[in-house]
Parts: sequence; C-alpha cells; structure tokens
Amino acid sequence: GQNIDQPTEMTATEGAIVQINCTYQTSGFNGLFWYQQHAGEAPTFLSYNVLDGLEEKGRFSSFLSRSKGYSYLLLKELQMKDSASYLCAVYGNTGKLIFGQGTTLQVKP
Amino acid sequence: ETGVTQTPRHLVMGMTNKKSLKCEQHLGHNAMYWYKQSAKKPLELMFVYSLEERVENNSVPSRFSPECPNSSHLFLHLHTLQPEDSALYLCASSQAGRTGGVYEQYFGPGTRLTVT
Repeated sequence: GQNIDQPTEMTATEGAIVQINCTYQTSGFNGLFWYQQHAGEAPTFLSYNVLDGLEEKGRFSSFLSRSKGYSYLLLKELQMKDSASYLCAVYGNTGKLIFGQGTTLQVKP
Repeated sequence: ETGVTQTPRHLVMGMTNKKSLKCEQHLGHNAMYWYKQSAKKPLELMFVYSLEERVENNSVPSRFSPECPNSSHLFLHLHTLQPEDSALYLCASSQAGRTGGVYEQYFGPGTRLTVT
C-alpha cells in the first residue's frame, strides 16, 4: 500500500529552527514534494527532491534519503507568517501525487 | 497569485441540488486535477485530465462528474450530494509529458462546499 506519515502538529518560536519530518512507503519513487498551505488558501510549491541529499532555498531546505524512505523540511529564522500547514507528497509509479495529512506549524512570538 | 482560479469560493447546496465548480488555469499547462480536502485527512485525488485523456479514480462516487472542454478549463458537476461530501475542493494544473516526467502542481484557492 501507499502511506505517508507526518506529525500532525508542531509549535516553534519566532527566530528558531524547526524540522518537519516525513516518512513514506510507496510503490516506486519518482520524487517528493513539499507544499505550504495557509488557512483558507491554496497549497503553494516549496521544494522538490528526487535525489538523495539537501536542497536549499533561502530559509527553507529539504532533505531526502530514498533508502530510508525519509524526508524533512527545515525552516530557519522562523517568522510569524510561517504559521501554516506543510504537506509532504510523493510521486510513486502510479503517476499520481500521494499526499500526507499535513503538519500544522504554529509559530509563537 | 498562482495562475489557477476557482469559482465559486464558497457553495452551500442541498442534497437534491445540481451545481458545478469551475476551474481555469492561465499557465499554459496541459494537465488538470481535482482534489478533495477534508479536515484532518490527506488531500485525495479525484480526477486527472492529462494531454486530453482522463484518468479516473475508481473510488469517486458517480455523483461527481468531471468535464474538461479544453486544456485551460475544468469543471466538476455535482448532483445529489451527501453531507459527508462537504469539504474543500481544490483544482490544480501542471505540465505533463507523453514520456513521463514529474512536474510540480499549481493549486487554485479551492471551493468550500457545504452540503445541507
């Protein structure tokens, strides 16, 4: 079967660093996406990993280990506007994007 | 602005009504998707149109009927819905290639549907 696990909720402090983990079990692997979704808004693309290692984009970085079926999204220098849901999604060999339930991050002053 | 628009943004309908959701993408993509997002659940893929072919999720009840008249427009026709169909319905678009390839999807803001 296909399964993607993420923590349901996380809390962090403004200015800190937070790591959101995602583990997956899918039929095949063709890439992993991270999306950000603010309440009442569309999910927006953050990052894409298909090879092992770290991809850095400003304050956001995403890591992938295909052998472990594991990824994380790292957010540095947290800002209040980073409070949102973060969705992990995997392209298996079904040609469809499979989403985790999302991690709701609350950033506190 | 993601380049994908959806109307209406909010919809309340009775179980005997017929309504349609509309999605339009201005990104030049050739694949479009309908997703259902319920509270505390992962995004569920409902339908895909890619390169003018429909890929249908067999678990979607027949009371949901998609229509894709061209690569820029996507509709979801609704009839005799149930209260458990209340959810956020998201449209997305992406590039698609005949030889495969993985492309990020761009989402619209969604239609918040309430079935009474």
